[in-house]
Formats: sequence, structure tokens, C-alpha cells
Amino acid sequence: NAGVTQTPKFRILKIGQSMTLQCTQDMNHNYMYWYRQDPGMGLKLIYYSVGAGITDKGEVPNGYNVSRSTTEDFPLRLELAAPSQTSVYFCASSRTRLAGDEQFFGPGTRLTVL
Amino acid sequence: GQNIDQPTEMTATEGAIVQINCTYQTSGFNGLFWYQQHAGEAPTFLSYNVLDGLEEKGRFSSFLSRSKGYSYLLLKELQMKDSASYLCAVRDRGYSTLTFGKGTMLLVSP
Repeated sequence: NAGVTQTPKFRILKIGQSMTLQCTQDMNHNYMYWYRQDPGMGLKLIYYSVGAGITDKGEVPNGYNVSRSTTEDFPLRLELAAPSQTSVYFCASSRTRLAGDEQFFGPGTRLTVL
Repeated sequence: GQNIDQPTEMTATEGAIVQINCTYQTSGFNGLFWYQQHAGEAPTFLSYNVLDGLEEKGRFSSFLSRSKGYSYLLLKELQMKDSASYLCAVRDRGYSTLTFGKGTMLLVSP
């Protein structure tokens, strides 16, 4: 199993550009998450999904959109990139939401908006 | 909401024991996780506590007191590779999401 994969690894955007961060998991997990991590800060939840076709906002959803058309894929869309969106983005998945089920993280996408 | 506090940085010597504390104030609690994150890498799962007491896993142990809103991660026989950030995370009432603390950067020196 490849686990959770993310593309691209690095990206530089200009202000106002748009892009999609890709996330795929091959563990047949129902739950998927998008986090951002700024220097010296913990992980902040952007959006999450409890299954195909179901998404919900996390703590910091503004400026982002998601979709979940399949169990495997959970792309994150930035429509109008702003410098405040410069961050490292992590996608994660978990099998269930039962007690003790850990989240598995992808390697991250480092995004810079100039 | 959730409020999670951890020390920002800690230093320790190779071979020593270090305890990283985490305090939390939450509107609901359904378990506490510890993750390890090396610089430039993804977080990886270390431990999970939902009941009071100590969970031991090799060189790492984690303790939880729900009444005090307190947990700690204990690392024994420190190795250089243990230099990393350690993230405390609390599972919310609805079970679906985790709220993470800012992490504690541990530096292990020879």
C-alpha cells in the first residue's frame, strides 16, 4: 500500500491564481481530512469528509473548497490564492471514527503564494 | 471549542528521560493522541489514551488524567533520532475530528 499520497510536493503561486492540491489514499478509509500547518503552529483543520459525497468545514475553511466523489480521492481547491495561504498542507485519512483509530498523513504540499 | 497547551521547546541529553506535558480544555472529550513529526515530514502516530492511566509502548509511554485535563508523553533512553516535534491532539465529542496543540519541539543533544 502506498498509504496517503499528495501532489504536488512543492508549488509557487502568484496572488489570484488557482490550483488544486491532490490527495489519494489506497487504504479504503472512509474519513479524510485536510490540514494546514504554519511555522511554529499546530495543524489546523480546513475541511474533512466522512465518506464519498459528504464534506464538512473545519476550523479554517475560508478560501478553500473540497469535493469527495470517490472513497480514494479528496482534492483541495484554492480559487484565488492569497499570501495568507502560504503554508504546508497535509492530507490525512482514517478507517473509522471509532476510539483509537489514528489518522494517517500524506507527505505534505509546501505552497508559497507571492 | 478546544484549547490545548504544550511547552514550545524542550532540550534533553542522549540517554536521558524527558516528559512532555499537554493540558487541554474541551467542550467534549473522546480520546487524546500523541504524534511525532520530524522536520519537513508528516506527523506519525505514537499513542492514544481514552481512559485514565499509563499506556506503555517500548521507549514511549503516555499518561492521561481526564479529571485534570492533563496528559504527558514520556520518552526514555533518548536517542538523537528522537529530536522532533511532538503534537498532542484531542478527539472531539462527535469523534470525527482532532484538534491539535502547537507542538513541542524536542532537541536531543549528545
